[in-house]
Amino acid sequence: EAGVTQFPSHSVIEKGQTVTLRCDPISGHDNLYWYRRVMGKEIKFLLHFVKESKQDESGMPNNRFLAERTGGTYSTLKVQPAELEDSGVYFCASSSRLTGWGTEAFFGQGTRLTVV
Amino acid sequence: AQSVSQHNHHVILSEAASLELGCNYSYGGTVNLFWYVQYPGQHLQLLLKYFSGDPLVKGIKGFEAEFIKSKFSFNLRKPSVQWSDTAEYFCAVKKAAGNKLTFGGGTRVLVKP
Repeated sequence: EAGVTQFPSHSVIEKGQTVTLRCDPISGHDNLYWYRRVMGKEIKFLLHFVKESKQDESGMPNNRFLAERTGGTYSTLKVQPAELEDSGVYFCASSSRLTGWGTEAFFGQGTRLTVV
Repeated sequence: AQSVSQHNHHVILSEAASLELGCNYSYGGTVNLFWYVQYPGQHLQLLLKYFSGDPLVKGIKGFEAEFIKSKFSFNLRKPSVQWSDTAEYFCAVKKAAGNKLTFGGGTRVLVKP
């Protein structure tokens, strides 16, 4: 069974440009999460989808970030326009339908974004 | 808001030494607790988890962790480390009825051969 996959693994863009990150969750997982780790800091929650609906987007830093999950399968996270402080590693994770008690999240390898 | 604190940012030890990584969290309600590991170049993997029951949980690769509710702690241990345990270790907490994880800052462990 394939795990959580993320594309690209690395991205270097200039300040002001747009970048789109993609996440393919484990097949059948309704829950999809985005997290981010800025250099030297802890991994922080960005948002949570249940199927195609945003369940919790309390961690999204500002309106330059747009996440979508059309059809409840893969998800994209777009940063437009990118700023220097957006650099970091963006992780995607998924978990099964059984929300809350007893669930564990499976993580992708992450996308390392560098804004120069 | 809940927070998670990992006591050490970096740990260096020799093979066969014992390892203990501290983790404390701040949340008074029922929680699920996790330790994740990220080996160089790989994705975050679950080492072990605690949901309920026996507070001493055993995970993969000889790791174990003990949940001490009164101390809000979930420390990770391994009696004898190997060079292959070189990695970054993350403690994470989730409200039992919730979904999102709150992570500690991570501990980089370097095991010298």
